Amino acid sequence: DVKVTQSSRYLVKRTGEKVFLECVQDMDHENMFWYRQDPGLGLRLIYFSYDVKMKEKGDIPEGYSVSREKKERFSLILESASTNQTSMYLCASSLAGSEQYFGPGTRLTVT
Amino acid sequence: EDQVTQSPEALRLQEGESSSLNCSYTVSGLRGLFWYRQDPGKGPEFLFTLYSAGEEKEKERLKATLTKKESFLHITAPKPEDSATYLCAVQAIDYKLSFGAGTTVTVRA
Repeated sequence: DVKVTQSSRYLVKRTGEKVFLECVQDMDHENMFWYRQDPGLGLRLIYFSYDVKMKEKGDIPEGYSVSREKKERFSLILESASTNQTSMYLCASSLAGSEQYFGPGTRLTVT
Repeated sequence: EDQVTQSPEALRLQEGESSSLNCSYTVSGLRGLFWYRQDPGKGPEFLFTLYSAGEEKEKERLKATLTKKESFLHITAPKPEDSATYLCAVQAIDYKLSFGAGTTVTVRA
């Protein structure tokens, strides 16, 4: 079974803090993704990566950056957290063109 | 722009009362359509992939079908454990994935 793990289930940070969310997959997938999910807005793609050290902007990249130094690990960075970044963050991985497998999610609250 | 619309937004069923969820889409070349199940506070769980019109997939009480403009997720004789939000996503020819807002299903015993 594919396993995607995320570093924290719940996180509370203060406005202006730098926040790191980490994601690890164990299935040797080329592609990894970061989404945020908000009520009424559904899943929105922040960034994705199709190879080590490669990254592409998704639909809502502003205020975020990513890092992929190893194939199995994809990190999402909030450079200076703001209250409008309070959300559920979901990481996913996939083989090229195939279904995505999601992690359990990190519920981030920025106060 | 690719669009995915799911209906209804919410569905309340009695245990054993079969029903269908709809996912209508417009996409610039369909590569695949995916169905996911999401429980509260958890990540989406992959259910099915459909690639071409006429295709059907089944898993326990769930059956997914695909036409050129929409997909249906049929729930036959649902049980309370089928309560969840069901998400539909379409993958365009450029591999971009677009999600619908989901249908929240509640099954009462």
